[in-house]
Amino acid sequence: DAGVIQSPRHEVTEMGQEVTLRCKPISGHDYLFWYRQTMMRGLELLIYFNNNVPIDDSGMPEDRFSAKMPNASFSTLKIQPSEPRDSAVYFCASSSPGTGNAYEQYFGPGTRLTVT
Amino acid sequence: SQQGEEDPQALSIQEGENATMNCSYKTSINNLQWYRQNSGRGLVHLILIRSNEREKHSGRLRVTLDTSKKSSSLLITASRAADTASYFCAGGTSYGKLTFGQGTILTVHP
Repeated sequence: DAGVIQSPRHEVTEMGQEVTLRCKPISGHDYLFWYRQTMMRGLELLIYFNNNVPIDDSGMPEDRFSAKMPNASFSTLKIQPSEPRDSAVYFCASSSPGTGNAYEQYFGPGTRLTVT
Repeated sequence: SQQGEEDPQALSIQEGENATMNCSYKTSINNLQWYRQNSGRGLVHLILIRSNEREKHSGRLRVTLDTSKKSSSLLITASRAADTASYFCAGGTSYGKLTFGQGTILTVHP
């Protein structure tokens, strides 16, 4: 398996522009997670899906952020309009239940977003 | 928000020494997991210990879990320069969600 795939790997954009991050989870995994990592705030869970349905979006910072999962093999995280404080590394991860409902998560390589 | 606190925040040791990292968590968990992150990369799963287990081994890794104290420790024995990375603990629920700690930066000097 190719693992979790994210694109783009790097994104530099100007404040006010729309940014779309993409993720392809591991085939057969029914959970998908979006995280944001910064030096100041560490690793934050933004939203996660189960069987393409959003389960918990309480970590989404504000209405400028939205996420979709139109099918089992694709998800997007969109920021519109982007702001400099959105600069971070965004990770996508996927998982499926193991023994005793213990879920190991598999992370993608991340998208490094810089908003100028 | 982060529910876990890791101690120490940074650890610097010589190759061949053992490295111990500690983690505390606040809410009930189904399992406790440890992940490793090399600079500029995604997190990689290392080991999982269930809430009804007290100790688990995997190669040079040893994890303990004390649910009464809501704490866990990760021991890396005979460390190597290649072990240099950030290490995160994560409390796992029975419905898939993980809550990560702030991480420990481990530097192993050759």
